[in-house]
Amino acid sequence: KQEVTQIPAALSVPEGENLVLNCSFTDSAIYNLQWFRQDPGKGLTSLLLIQSSQREQTSGRLNASLDKSSGRSTLYIAASQPGDSATYLCATPGGSQGNLIFGKGTKLSVKP
Amino acid sequence: DAGVIQSPRHEVTEMGQEVTLRCKPISGHDYLFWYRQTMMRGLELLIYFNNNVPIDDSGMPEDRFSAKMPNASFSTLKIQPSEPRDSAVYFCASRPPGTTTDTQYFGPGTRLTVL
Repeated sequence: KQEVTQIPAALSVPEGENLVLNCSFTDSAIYNLQWFRQDPGKGLTSLLLIQSSQREQTSGRLNASLDKSSGRSTLYIAASQPGDSATYLCATPGGSQGNLIFGKGTKLSVKP
Repeated sequence: DAGVIQSPRHEVTEMGQEVTLRCKPISGHDYLFWYRQTMMRGLELLIYFNNNVPIDDSGMPEDRFSAKMPNASFSTLKIQPSEPRDSAVYFCASRPPGTTTDTQYFGPGTRLTVL
């Protein structure tokens, strides 16, 4: 059974700092890995999706990488801003067509 | 499109009461998912439907939980009787046809508190 782990559970950084969020998974036979952002009181917003054949995806200041052999993905945020403060979750498909298996998330706080 | 709509946004009830959560998926989507999020367990799938038919309900914790999808534009998640440990945020998500598991669109969630 696939398990997804995110460390640390919480992270606080000063504005402008580059940072890395970590995600690990137990079953390397994944179709893809996705990073979401969750703001308080709101649903999840998809940020980046990396297919199993890809090594990384970029969107603006965000870069996500995938290393299937080691069971790890990272989300790199460059030049962090207070508006980046949110909880970031990674997820990967858990079955043939259905659900996503989520990590518990990393709560990021960027201090002005 | 208004996105996935959930109601109510907040629900406070007393132990033993029946609770019904509602979801309206995005029009044209043929998959609907119910998730529960808690601090301890994170985000977990409860059940999902395809074309209004329940496909996998293995995540439903107990018989106290039931879900229905009477038509393509409406689903309910019912808890009867509710218990304090059911307190969580419940999310509904939908997915359009012809896509893989990654393209799920989430609603804002219902925060349930059982006293």
